[in-house]
Amino acid sequence: DAKTTQPTSMDCAEGRAANLPCNHSTISGNEYVYWYRQIHSQGPQYIIHGLKNNETNEMASLIITEDRKSSTLILPHATLRDTAVYYCIVRVATGTASKLTFGTGTRLQVTL
Amino acid sequence: DTGVSQDPRHKITKRGQNVTFRCDPISEHNRLYWYRQTLGQGPEFLTYFQNEAQLEKSRLLSDRFSAERPKGSFSTLEIQRTEQGDSAMYLCASSLDEGEAFFGQGTRLTVV
Repeated sequence: DAKTTQPTSMDCAEGRAANLPCNHSTISGNEYVYWYRQIHSQGPQYIIHGLKNNETNEMASLIITEDRKSSTLILPHATLRDTAVYYCIVRVATGTASKLTFGTGTRLQVTL
Repeated sequence: DTGVSQDPRHKITKRGQNVTFRCDPISEHNRLYWYRQTLGQGPEFLTYFQNEAQLEKSRLLSDRFSAERPKGSFSTLEIQRTEQGDSAMYLCASSLDEGEAFFGQGTRLTVV
C-alpha cells in the first residue's frame, strides 16, 4: 500500500470547518483513500473513503484531487467531540486481506 | 450493542505469564483482524482471518503469539511468556469481505 503524509497536528475552533490534508503521491490506480479517526482510549472509527470522486456522508466530506496525489478530509462544523487523531490510509480494496496500514496521523484539537 | 466486542478491556500481568484476549466480531462479518498499538503510534497489523482460516500473519507476530478463530466467529489472541515490550493496546476489527473495518475498544495490556 502507498504511504501517506499528514501534518502531525492541527487546531480548529469549534463550529468552524476542519480541513485535514493528506499527501499520497505514489497512490496506484486501484487504491482507495480511507479516513479513520481515533478518539483517546478508543478503537479507530471509520469515517469515509473514496477512489477518485469526491464523497460526502453524515460525518465528513472527502475531496480528492484530480491527479489523486492528495486529498482533504473536511469536517464542516467541528465540535469538541471531534478532537481525535485522524488517519489517512490508502489501500487496495479488492483481492487482498484488506488490512489497513496506519501512519501516525494528524492530531486534531478542537478548541472553544 | 452489535459492534465489535473485546474482553477484557484491561489486563495487568507479570512478566513471563501467559495472557489470552477474546474478540467477538460483528455477527455477519467474515473477516477478522488483530492490530497492536503502542503509545503515540498508529495501529500495526498483526494477523487476519477469513472465516476460520488464518490467511496472513505479520512479522510482528513472534512465535510467542498465537491467534485462533475456531468456528469462524469469535477469535482469541494468546501471548505466551509475556515481556515488558508486549505492553500495548490490542485491537480487533471485523469486516464483511473488503468492506470497511469496524474496530473494538481494544484490550490494554500492561506487563510488569
